[in-house]
Amino acid sequence: AQKVTQAQTEISVVEKEDVTLDCVYETRDTTYYLFWYKQPPSGELVFLIRRNSFDEQNEISGRYSWNFQKSTSSFNFTITASQVVDSAVYFCALSEAQTGANNLFFGTGTRLTVIP
Amino acid sequence: DTGVSQDPRHKITKRGQNVTFRCDPISEHNRLYWYRQTLGQGPEFLTYFQNEAQLEKSRLLSNRFSAERPKGSFSTLEIQRTEQGDSAMYLCASSSISGGQQETQYFGPGTRLLVL
Repeated sequence: AQKVTQAQTEISVVEKEDVTLDCVYETRDTTYYLFWYKQPPSGELVFLIRRNSFDEQNEISGRYSWNFQKSTSSFNFTITASQVVDSAVYFCALSEAQTGANNLFFGTGTRLTVIP
Repeated sequence: DTGVSQDPRHKITKRGQNVTFRCDPISEHNRLYWYRQTLGQGPEFLTYFQNEAQLEKSRLLSNRFSAERPKGSFSTLEIQRTEQGDSAMYLCASSSISGGQQETQYFGPGTRLLVL
């Protein structure tokens, strides 16, 4: 069965600090996709990144970077030099290719607060 | 491209009343998903459409819930005889699928339902 675990419920950092959000997943599927979404206080889920299971290259986009390690079933997200606007709830999600629906299984989210 | 829109953004109703939500997906997206998110949790899959066909429903979707997507464009989600446990954020997402390749789901702002 599929499962996504975000063990960090809440994290607080001071502005300009780096912060890493952890995500551990479980799946029996060999082909799957991993996602990160940001949910600011307004409530809308904002897409950040999508990776497929065959691409373990780390990715950097501005202050954001992602570390995908199949050996530990982890897909961690790092924000460098955090800013107040980064305050939000961040969700990691998994989609399995074998399920025709390709629906997303979400973790419970990590609430990040960046203190000015 | 105007993104996914949902209406209404907020709905307060009394227990036992029926409510209907609407979702307009990104144009040309052939898949449309409904999710439900309760406080402190990640979104949970309810159902999805490919074009006008409803292809899968989760066990969360009781028989009081019905969804439609006439003509494969907008979708409606109706809850009959609402219960207090139905209070949640209802999120709609759309994506494009071709050749079985999973594409990214883009979410709307959600409809927050409160059942008194």
